[in-house]
Amino acid sequence: NAGVTQTPKFRILKIGQSMTLQCTQDMNHNYMYWYRQDPGMGLKLIYYSVGAGITDKGEVPNGYNVSRSTTEDFPLRLELAAPSQTSVYFCASSYGGGENIQYFGAGTRLSVL
Amino acid sequence: AQKVTQAQTEISVVEKEDVTLDCVYETRDTTYYLFWYKQPPSGELVFLIRRNSFDEQNEISGRYSWNFQKSTSSFNFTITASQVVDSAVYFCALGMNRDDKIIFGKGTRLHILP
Repeated sequence: NAGVTQTPKFRILKIGQSMTLQCTQDMNHNYMYWYRQDPGMGLKLIYYSVGAGITDKGEVPNGYNVSRSTTEDFPLRLELAAPSQTSVYFCASSYGGGENIQYFGAGTRLSVL
Repeated sequence: AQKVTQAQTEISVVEKEDVTLDCVYETRDTTYYLFWYKQPPSGELVFLIRRNSFDEQNEISGRYSWNFQKSTSSFNFTITASQVVDSAVYFCALGMNRDDKIIFGKGTRLHILP
């Protein structure tokens, strides 16, 4: 029962570097989400997708990009990393929209120095 | 506008005490769904419960219970005889079936002191 898998678990980036956070789910869920959680804070939605080939912005999309070429994968790309992007990133998936349970990955802890 | 308010930022109780976490929501939809998630110190968010707007029956699962009251737009979570393992951040969330997303509250950090 893999569920939602995120890699890497930890990463340190230098300012200006780029990286891709990987997210894969094996539950055949159509909907996938990326959140960030700053220290001691709640969740903020970055991007989401309702199916392969369809993505949409959340409340904090600046500095990030996503793609959804398959049902299983929803990578998050950080271009030109900044210290403000230091956070824990969570990927989640669900069968459908707001009425459905979201299942979360274990998170990626990112530090930008 | 839809909104979830968890007014208690942080709570500390001594082990074996009962504790209630408050959740107040706002929506004009008649069909909606309420959720609770637990985030233990390990960091992963764990789903606890989902309740739809047409089911106001209280739910009990072991030491956990949930009180849904539409009259006060609240979906409160009570832990009975708390244990140190209950220490976590708890999030309440609201979803509508016309929406692609769910709205999370800011969370309540619960400390259970031995």
